[in-house]
Amino acid sequence: AQRVTQPEKLLSVFKGAPVELKCNYSYSGSPELFWYVQYSRQRLQLLLRHISRESIKGFTADLNKGETSFHLKKPFAQEEDSAMYYCALSGSSNTGKLIFGQGTTLQVKP
Amino acid sequence: DGGITQSPKYLFRKEGQNVTLSCEQNLNHDAMYWYRQDPGQGLRLIYYSQIVNDFQKGDIAEGYSVSREKKESFPLTVTSAQKNPTAFYLCASSINRDYEQYFGPGTRLTVT
Repeated sequence: AQRVTQPEKLLSVFKGAPVELKCNYSYSGSPELFWYVQYSRQRLQLLLRHISRESIKGFTADLNKGETSFHLKKPFAQEEDSAMYYCALSGSSNTGKLIFGQGTTLQVKP
Repeated sequence: DGGITQSPKYLFRKEGQNVTLSCEQNLNHDAMYWYRQDPGQGLRLIYYSQIVNDFQKGDIAEGYSVSREKKESFPLTVTSAQKNPTAFYLCASSINRDYEQYFGPGTRLTVT
């Protein structure tokens, strides 16, 4: 079955500390993975997708097929990074369906 | 910021009543989606539509119905058959199935 797991409900770090938001997936084919972010009082929006291999707002994520992971990383957290982060997997059959993880709240303390 | 809108922001209904949530987009997107967001469960797909006059069930379609008569609109009806309707509902759209999904602001439905 296709599944996305984010093991941490809450991750709290101090400003300037490194951040790693964990995401593991279960999928039999070639996965397409995304990170979405929801800042306070804002809409859910795409942060990055593994295909583009971009670094957005200092965040990067590498797809590790051996470990079936797509962890989100940032070397130095900023207070404005505080938000809810969702990892998502594009489902099979090219439908565009997204399977979301449970979400992780990142809290960056001053 | 327009793009994709949902109304109303908050909706209250009595148990046993059907209720329709609105989702409109002016992005000329072909694909539209409805998700349900519950605490600790992330987002779950209810229904999706890749083109006008066509839609498919998602993972939790029971107790819900949709229509896609116009490209811009994808209303979701929460019927009395939905056992736990109280939730936050998110609508999304994308150019097509291969592109980024843009989300609306959501509607919080409370059924008592």
